This record gives sequence, structure tokens and C-alpha cells, in this order.
Amino acid sequence: DGGITQSPKYLFRKEGQNVTLSCEQNLNHDAMYWYRQDPGQGLRLIYYSQIVNDFQKGDIAEGYSVSREKKESFPLTVTSAQKNPTAFYLCASSPGQGVNQPQHFGDGTRLSIL
Amino acid sequence: GNSVTQMEGPVTLSEEAFLTINCTYTATGYPSLFWYVQYPGEGLQLLLKATKADDKGSNKGFEATYRKETTSFHLEKGSVQVSDSAVYFCALSDWGYQLIWGAGTKLIIKP
Repeated sequence: DGGITQSPKYLFRKEGQNVTLSCEQNLNHDAMYWYRQDPGQGLRLIYYSQIVNDFQKGDIAEGYSVSREKKESFPLTVTSAQKNPTAFYLCASSPGQGVNQPQHFGDGTRLSIL
Repeated sequence: GNSVTQMEGPVTLSEEAFLTINCTYTATGYPSLFWYVQYPGEGLQLLLKATKADDKGSNKGFEATYRKETTSFHLEKGSVQVSDSAVYFCALSDWGYQLIWGAGTKLIIKP
């Protein structure tokens, strides 16, 4: 079945440590996204990528980095510069630009600080 | 710019009650509109969508009609179940890559 796989489901970060969240899709979608969700809050866009080797900052990109070397993969690194990383991180993909393009989501990664 | 406004939650109902979750939007042009559902600890799932004025999206007993004159896309269900307890997000898509999201409305259904 096609879908989006996020791993790990739970992740713990020590102070000063960078951690990388994995996102893989087999939907052949061009666009991919990373969102952050805090408890009881909506979604905030961190980064998005329209095509391979290209990505743009979203609303809250500071302290995060991404890469898009393959169409299927869009890993997110939470760097030590992100002082409040505890949140639920969601990866999504969509076929491409234009109206009538819903996004498909993975099951999320919950990141906590040790 | 484009925006989506949802009614604040939580919305608490008894089983078999009628549900309405309000969503209004501001947009230039002719966006598509979506409702997503998020069950506890999970990602978001597309519930329904509408791509033009007067379209009605429907799925799993939920319905929403794209009303351009009132810039609204309210979510309704005639008889809710405990299993409908979740957070519901309204969103719009214009010609860009991004979806514009509402803040989400938590729905609690009591037996």
C-alpha cells in the first residue's frame, strides 16, 4: 500500500544534540512538508519541498534543517539551536502545485527532551 | 492573505447528537476546501473535500458544503458516535503548495 512512513515513532534528545527524523513516501508525490504540532495546537509549517534538491522555509524554520536528495525522502534535523523541540512532528506529501491537492500525512514522530 | 477560522473547542456532545463545526475562510480566487481528522496520537487523515462553490463533500456520514456567498465550509454529521471523538481541522488550498490551516476543533462525544 502507498503511504508515508515516519520513524521513529518516539525520539528523545539530549541537550546540545542534533536528531534526525525520517520521512519516506512511496506515493510518487513531488511535494513534501514538515509540520510541528504542540499540545492542543494546530499545525505550523517548518519546511517544504516542491522538487528534489529544492526546499523552502516555512513559518518556523529556525533551529531546523532539511534535505531533499531523493524524491521519496525528506528528513528533518532538529538542531541544538532549537531550544524548545518537544512537540509532535508530522510529515506530509502532495502530488504537486495547484488547487484540489490534498496532503497525505504520516503517523508522526513525538520528540521529547531528556 | 488567505486565512481559515474555526470555532473554538472543545465541543462536547452526547452520542447520537447533531454535530456542526463552523469553518469560515478568507481567500482571493477560488480555493479548494478540506476537512481533516486527527485521532489521538495519530497523523491527519483527509475526511472530505470540495473544489468549487456549492460542492458538497461527504464521507463516513460527515458532510460540508462550499458556500462562496458566506465564505464558509461547516462540517456536519447527523448522529455522532463515541468513535468520532477527535480533532477536526479545516484547510484551504489555493494555487500554491501550502495548505492554510485552521487551529483545529476538539470534539468529545460522551456515551
